[in-house]
Amino acid sequence: GAVVSQHPSRVICKSGTSVKIECRSLDFQATTMFWYRQFPKQSLMLMATSNEGSKATYEQGVEKDKFLINHASLTLSTLTVTSAHPEDSSFYICSARENSGGYEQYFGPGTRLTVT
Amino acid sequence: LAKTTQPISMDSYEGQEVNITCSHNNIATNDYITWYQQFPSQGPRFIIQGYKTKVTNEVASLFIPADRKSSTLSLPRVSLSDTAVYYCLVALRGDTGGFKTIFGAGTRLFVKA
Repeated sequence: GAVVSQHPSRVICKSGTSVKIECRSLDFQATTMFWYRQFPKQSLMLMATSNEGSKATYEQGVEKDKFLINHASLTLSTLTVTSAHPEDSSFYICSARENSGGYEQYFGPGTRLTVT
Repeated sequence: LAKTTQPISMDSYEGQEVNITCSHNNIATNDYITWYQQFPSQGPRFIIQGYKTKVTNEVASLFIPADRKSSTLSLPRVSLSDTAVYYCLVALRGDTGGFKTIFGAGTRLFVKA
């Protein structure tokens, strides 16, 4: 089946620094990728929809200047958390859908971000 | 945007069949119903997807009544490793042809020995 990878799997950074998380579709092309955030014991919250070659679409309440999304190719989307603060500590998960159609989303393994 | 409602938690024993029902009263014509499984600190894993009637694969069955306002995930003969959170999602096709998936609260299934 289709595989989505994320890098890094875990990152610790100091408050005020920026962190970049990569999401790759390994064996398929994905025009659209999604970024979610999940806090402990809670469900996944959709942050934004990443579209290859165009600007991302952010969900209400998500700061686009803080969470920068770049979808430069059909297999790579990146999420940069700028000027990270402890409240940004969370589990970030990306997903992708194959261009060939269908509604199935393939999820990455997630990235655990801890801001100290 | 269609939303889903599921039981918060369920308990079961090994070897039993587990049925988790999800309500999606305002599902739209274009919406598909998908179920995912998630273990702690991992990304969700696709289980099954359907549009209407019944769908079966090697791990589960999905039952969708004619009005499509609910769906039931059936897990046959669960094992301890099936302890996880199960999410029912509705995929809404947008105006541009793309879609996005909104997660509900999910159902925490705990399988006991």
